[in-house]
Parts: sequence; C-alpha cells; structure tokens
Amino acid sequence: GAGVSQSPSNKVTEKGKDVELRCDPISGHTALYWYRQSLGQGLEFLIYFQGNSAPDKSGLPSDRFSAERTGGSVSTLTIQRTQQEDSAVYLCASSQAGAQYYEAFFGQGTRLTVV
Amino acid sequence: RKEVEQDPGPFNVPEGATVAFNCTYSNSASQSFFWYRQDCRKEPKLLMSVYSSGNEDGRFTAQLNRASQYISLLIRDSKLSDSATYLCVVNSGTYKYIFGTGTRLKVLA
Repeated sequence: GAGVSQSPSNKVTEKGKDVELRCDPISGHTALYWYRQSLGQGLEFLIYFQGNSAPDKSGLPSDRFSAERTGGSVSTLTIQRTQQEDSAVYLCASSQAGAQYYEAFFGQGTRLTVV
Repeated sequence: RKEVEQDPGPFNVPEGATVAFNCTYSNSASQSFFWYRQDCRKEPKLLMSVYSSGNEDGRFTAQLNRASQYISLLIRDSKLSDSATYLCVVNSGTYKYIFGTGTRLKVLA
C-alpha cells in the first residue's frame, strides 16, 4: 500500500488476555519501529527491526511484550497477560535503509484499552 | 536529563502571529533532526527536516544550532489549521529516532 498500515485501529481487551497488533510497512522500507504513546505523553521507543532482525529490543517494557517481523515486511507486536498500564496508542513506523537521514512514516496506530 | 526536551506549552497565539518553538538535545553526536506535527488522536507526520544551513518551507522555518544543541521552528502568519502538537525528533546517527514530548500550539481566531 501507499502508507504504513496498522490493524486493528482499536482494541478493547480484558486484563490478563493476550493481544496481537499488526503493522504493514511501506513497501521497500527495511527499517521498522514500534513506539507507544500514552495519553498526553510523548512517543516511547519499544523496538527496532532492520529486515527481520531486531538489534534493539531495549524499549520493550517487560517480558510480556514481544515482536517479530517476517519476510522483511509485516510485523506483529504481542502483549501477553495485558495489564491496565498497557493501555496506550501503539504506533508503527517505517523508514528506508540507512534510516538516520530519512524520515520515519507512521501508521495511524492501534488504540489499545485494557479493562 | 531527557535526550530531547521541549516546552510542552500550550502556546496560545492569535491568527496571523509569529510563533517560535525551541528544542534542545543532549547527544552532541546527533546527526539528523526533524519536526513532526501531530494532530489530536492522529499519528505524527513529518513537517520538515532540519538542515545545518537552516531551511524554509512557506511559512515555516527551521534552524539548527549545533554549538548550543538546539533546533527551532518558526511559524509565520499563523493559521487556525496550524493548531497541533509539534514534535522535535533527533537521530543520533544510528537507527533510533528520539522524540520530544511535543509543544502544543493553539491558534485563536
């Protein structure tokens, strides 16, 4: 597609359930990022992929969070045993290789609400 | 100290006013700089990259001061549609984009 696509756009889940968030980056973009934005807060870096590998997972807040990317394209972010503090907007972005001089393009995000 | 710091605002300005935001960064090795705009409940979108020589795009001017480690955004002739949160973004020359928490701008009729 023309832009970064994320699904679902909204997700309400019960505390303790697992959720999967999907990101489809811009075609040809090898760099993929997940960020989290809580209400009224800035963007918090979660994880970075270059191709299928994730050289930096340092931003994942706990071992309940994991992410993978297959075929150098689609990525899924999985949150196990969700907690209320996981409620946030999860944003995915992609960028060209050698990302530091290129802007990151964002998807519209998945708004996760844990009740 | 945060890696990227911005005044959260809000900046409330009348239509037609000129407004400027600054953003400071802590990593002197930072290589590239951007301003993003984020509307309420929307994703961030690139407003402009910031080049060493400074750059202008219509009513928007971005400047970089490496010695003092800050970047600025100037908006001239503010429009109601400029109301948004402006995010300062810094890349240290690796892969990671570091976002400031944003500066809220409200342009008033």
